Amino acid sequence: SQQGEEDPQALSIQEGENATMNCSYKTSINNLQWYRQNSGRGLVHLILIRSNEREKHSGRLRVTLDTSKKSSSLLITASRAADTASYFCATTKAAGNKLTFGGGTRVLVKP
Amino acid sequence: EAGVAQSPRYKIIEKRQSVAFWCNPISGHATLYWYQQILGQGPKLLIQFQNNGVVDDSQLPKDRFSAERLKGVDSTLKIQPAKLEDSAVYLCASSLIQGRGSYNEQFFGPGTRLTVL
Repeated sequence: SQQGEEDPQALSIQEGENATMNCSYKTSINNLQWYRQNSGRGLVHLILIRSNEREKHSGRLRVTLDTSKKSSSLLITASRAADTASYFCATTKAAGNKLTFGGGTRVLVKP
Repeated sequence: EAGVAQSPRYKIIEKRQSVAFWCNPISGHATLYWYQQILGQGPKLLIQFQNNGVVDDSQLPKDRFSAERLKGVDSTLKIQPAKLEDSAVYLCASSLIQGRGSYNEQFFGPGTRLTVL
């Protein structure tokens, strides 16, 4: 079964716009991660946020985590055509435990 | 640094045939994972090894799927016999040793795309 569910399932934006996608999960977690997957580079880890953190930044990425709502969001600012990919959230229930992925959001950035 | 290597990249077989996939993790990574990713879904963990021991195989369909990591380095995943619903991308990942109180990033290989006809 999949722990996280992403919303929306698909997103189409113009280059330069921001892209926001959300992830909801069902059980308590140790950390939540976001991954990007495209045909060129496979599945790549983007950012990890721990359950005691509320916000994290990495370059053009901003991740928030609300454990009371069991949800997270990923914001990509000033999107580029190269950001076209599927984005997945994944959770671990405990440190060292397995990753459980959501269904993903497909993002298309039009030049 | 070389990444996770997988072969073959693509495989097409008839249902009821057998197939095997190979994975070579990043050097020094003690933990190895096999995931199944069906089209339009996120990856699902099939099995996790730590060195040559199985840590988690709770979602591995053991009547037809098997995996081994005999020397604690390379791993093979086998399906015998294959069914139509096994069509998917099979991803291998590796990480430094996982333990209580620590999390180490998983690095994914390019995957093997399996089509069962």
